[in-house]
Amino acid sequence: KQEVTQIPAALSVPEGENLVLNCSFTDSAIYNLQWFRQDPGKGLTSLLLIQSSQREQTSGRLNASLDKSSGRSTLYIAASQPGDSATYLCAVRAGYSTLTFGKGTMLLVSP
Amino acid sequence: EAGVVQSPRYKIIEKKQPVAFWCNPISGHNTLYWYLQNLGQGPELLIRYENEEAVDDSQLPKDRFSAERLKGVDSTLKIQPAELGDSAVYLCASSLGRDGRLDEQYFGPGTRLTVT
Repeated sequence: KQEVTQIPAALSVPEGENLVLNCSFTDSAIYNLQWFRQDPGKGLTSLLLIQSSQREQTSGRLNASLDKSSGRSTLYIAASQPGDSATYLCAVRAGYSTLTFGKGTMLLVSP
Repeated sequence: EAGVVQSPRYKIIEKKQPVAFWCNPISGHNTLYWYLQNLGQGPELLIRYENEEAVDDSQLPKDRFSAERLKGVDSTLKIQPAELGDSAVYLCASSLGRDGRLDEQYFGPGTRLTVT
C-alpha cells in the first residue's frame, strides 16, 4: 500500500526566506506527483504536477523536483511571502486516477 | 471558467440525522471524485465516477453512505444516519477523464460537516 510522508509537519519562517518542503513515498511505481495548497476552510489548489518522466516543474517562485527511484520530491519556495501561508499537500498517483495524499506541511510566513 | 461547485459549504446536524452534499464538476469533465478529509489529514478517496458509472467505491462505507451521479454531471453524496465520527470535510473533485493516469484533478471548496 502506497504511503506518503511529508516533513516537516509545520514550519514557521520570516518573510523573504527560501524554504524546502519534503515529500517521500514508499512505492516508486507512480504515474505522477502533484503538489497542492490548501488555505484554511478552503479546497485544494493545484500548484505543480510532475509526470513520472520529468525531473522538475517550475511555476513562478515555486520549483518542484521528483526523484522517483528514491521515492522523494521537494517543493522549493523562493523569497517566501506572508501570502504563502497555507498547508501544502503532496499527492502521488500510483493507480488509475487514484491519488494518495500526505498529511501536509503547515507553513506560516511572518512579516 | 467556473470551478468545481459544492453546496452547502457548512452543515451542522445531530447524530442519526440524514445529510446530503451536492457537487457540480467543471463543464466537460467526465470523471468526478468524492474525498473525505479529517482534521490534520490528507484527503482520502470515497468514490470515483466515470460519467454515470461508479468505477471505484471500495472505500465508501456502504452501510450508511450512498452516492449518485445522474446524467453524468452533478453528483450527490448522502449519509444516513450520520455518526459523530463523520464530522469532517467532504471534497469533490473532477478531471477531464482522457487519461486517468495523467489527468489533473481540480477540487471544490468542500463541505464542512459537524455532527453533534
